[in-house]
Amino acid sequence: NAGVTQTPKFRVLKTGQSMTLLCAQDMNHEYMYWYRQDPGMGLRLIHYSVGEGTTAKGEVPDGYNVSRLKKQNFLLGLESAAPSQTSVYFCASSSLKLYEQYFGPGTRLTVT
Amino acid sequence: AQSVTQLGSHVSVSEGALVLLRCNYSSSVPPYLFWYVQYPNQGLQLLLKYTSAATLVKGINGFEAEFKKSETSFHLTKPSAHMSDAAEYFCAVSEIGNQFYFGTGTSLTVIP
Repeated sequence: NAGVTQTPKFRVLKTGQSMTLLCAQDMNHEYMYWYRQDPGMGLRLIHYSVGEGTTAKGEVPDGYNVSRLKKQNFLLGLESAAPSQTSVYFCASSSLKLYEQYFGPGTRLTVT
Repeated sequence: AQSVTQLGSHVSVSEGALVLLRCNYSSSVPPYLFWYVQYPNQGLQLLLKYTSAATLVKGINGFEAEFKKSETSFHLTKPSAHMSDAAEYFCAVSEIGNQFYFGTGTSLTVIP
């Protein structure tokens, strides 16, 4: 039981480049989330999904897109990376019943 | 709208001393409340959660928190700090169980 995994762990992009972050969970959770963590700002919700094929905007969605084609996967895309998107990105999942989130180990992204 | 305030971005305690990390929330309905811990370069791990059962909640590693509705607080305590408790701690609130709002975090330093 791997829990929540994230790929890649580290990435350096140049301004304007695109990339996709992959989150996978093996707990059959209905909900999945993408957060970014910046110093002094805690975790801010980017997008979330309440089920396969459905996504919704969080607090800071601009510049990001997401997709949830399979229940176990939640993808975060950056179409044209900007230095302001330098951050640590965390994926999380939760079930309808337990009301607690399980987090992945994070992806450290640097945009130069 | 929900929000979480963590008083003190940095807290230092001596080894063996009481740990008190403060969290206040705003919510229009009885919320779910959580404390998470983050060790360096890792994801967040659930310490404990309040979901409208007992107001004193016990978590892992000897931590506990008390829900006080009249004070809209959910402070985290541990009677005796260990060196291994040094980490970042996040308080979070959820009203409907599928969106979570995090505080900005408190960095705990334990002095030998």
